[in-house]
Amino acid sequence: GAVVSQHPSRVICKSGTSVKIECRSLDFQATTMFWYRQFPKQSLMLMATSNEGSKATYEQGVEKDKFLINHASLTLSTLTVTSAHPEDSSFYICSAKGTYDTQYFGPGTRLTVL
Amino acid sequence: GEDVEQSLFLSVREGDSSVINCTYTDSSSTYLYWYKQEPGAGLQLLTYIFSNMDMKQDQRLTVLLNKKDKHLSLRIADTQTGDSAIYFCAESPPGSSASKIIFGSGTRLSIRP
Repeated sequence: GAVVSQHPSRVICKSGTSVKIECRSLDFQATTMFWYRQFPKQSLMLMATSNEGSKATYEQGVEKDKFLINHASLTLSTLTVTSAHPEDSSFYICSAKGTYDTQYFGPGTRLTVL
Repeated sequence: GEDVEQSLFLSVREGDSSVINCTYTDSSSTYLYWYKQEPGAGLQLLTYIFSNMDMKQDQRLTVLLNKKDKHLSLRIADTQTGDSAIYFCAESPPGSSASKIIFGSGTRLSIRP
């Protein structure tokens, strides 16, 4: 089946630093990738949708300058949390979708900002 | 607007059937999904159903869709300890080509001996 990986799986950083999270589709080409955020014991909230080679579309309330998304190839998307603060601590999950497929989810990245 | 609701907790005895229920608001949703999330992990797609279907069965999993009542259920037969997880119901609004997925709050399934 389709496999999506994320790197790193866990990251701890100091307040004010930037953190990059990678999302890769390992065995298929992902025309669209999605970034979600999940707070403890809560559901997934869609942050943004990105199509390869295009600017990401952000959901209402998500700061695009804070959460930079790049989808430079059909197998890689990155999410950079800029100037991270403790309130950005969360579980970030990406998903990837081919042209006609459903979304396949990555294992998630737990970000802790001290 | 789009909304998906689930009960937060369900506890069943090992070997019994688990039934997780979900209601959604967008009657024109094209796809409805069930995902499983184990602690600290991402989401695993368990099954999905097209809106023109009433039922789908896959081994121990049975999905029932009542479009009139906008009600979706997931039945897990012979529930095992490995089924302990959070189960998310999700819908894909029309026109999204299964791109945008709206998740419910998740139901935490616990298994008792």
